[in-house]
Amino acid sequence: DTAVSQTPKYLVTQMGNDKSIKCEQNLGHDTMYWYKQDSKKFLKIMFSYNNKELIINETVPNRFSPKSPDKAHLNLHINSLELGDSAVYFCASTSGQEDEKLFFGSGTQLSVL
Amino acid sequence: SQQGEEDPQALSIQEGENATMNCSYKTSINNLQWYRQNSGRGLVHLILIRSNEREKHSGRLRVTLDTSKKSSSLLITASRAADTASYFCATDRGGFQKLVFGTGTRLLVSP
Repeated sequence: DTAVSQTPKYLVTQMGNDKSIKCEQNLGHDTMYWYKQDSKKFLKIMFSYNNKELIINETVPNRFSPKSPDKAHLNLHINSLELGDSAVYFCASTSGQEDEKLFFGSGTQLSVL
Repeated sequence: SQQGEEDPQALSIQEGENATMNCSYKTSINNLQWYRQNSGRGLVHLILIRSNEREKHSGRLRVTLDTSKKSSSLLITASRAADTASYFCATDRGGFQKLVFGTGTRLLVSP
């Protein structure tokens, strides 16, 4: 069983389109994240949710909207896609307790043409 | 930027040799973690060292932490081709603060 699963793995789309990436974790974790990894492998936090509530929202365009229907799911919806949105997006989760590690999904490679 | 810096950016060694990667960071931390990323995959947690620890071992991995210098090192002994990956350090300031990742070291281990 995959602990943190993301779909789709690859997403190729045209500029201006709207797309969603889904994430689910079966670890019973309370805290979930979205990270963006650019072409230089820099990994940056985008959002963090704890028990369905947004707790971290880094400087991300409001075209990006996370949604957490329950604490096991954190989806990312992107409106009006731009070329600069091309990157690998990773979902991750943690129990949120002290000194806990992150569990990552396998990533979604988004290519905006 | 709070992002850590890793050194070297890339490292190429032969199987059996040791690989050492360094990480520097800017803020006080609760712990520091190291992750591995294989090509096209997500990050996998390797080891965590708390701010009150100076050294930690796990199998062929040895991590040191110097909080006075705000730096850490990861040593992989007797490297194998399967160790080829990117390695990232990440600092944790506790609470719901997110992990801040370093820039990564790309390790290539040749047979």
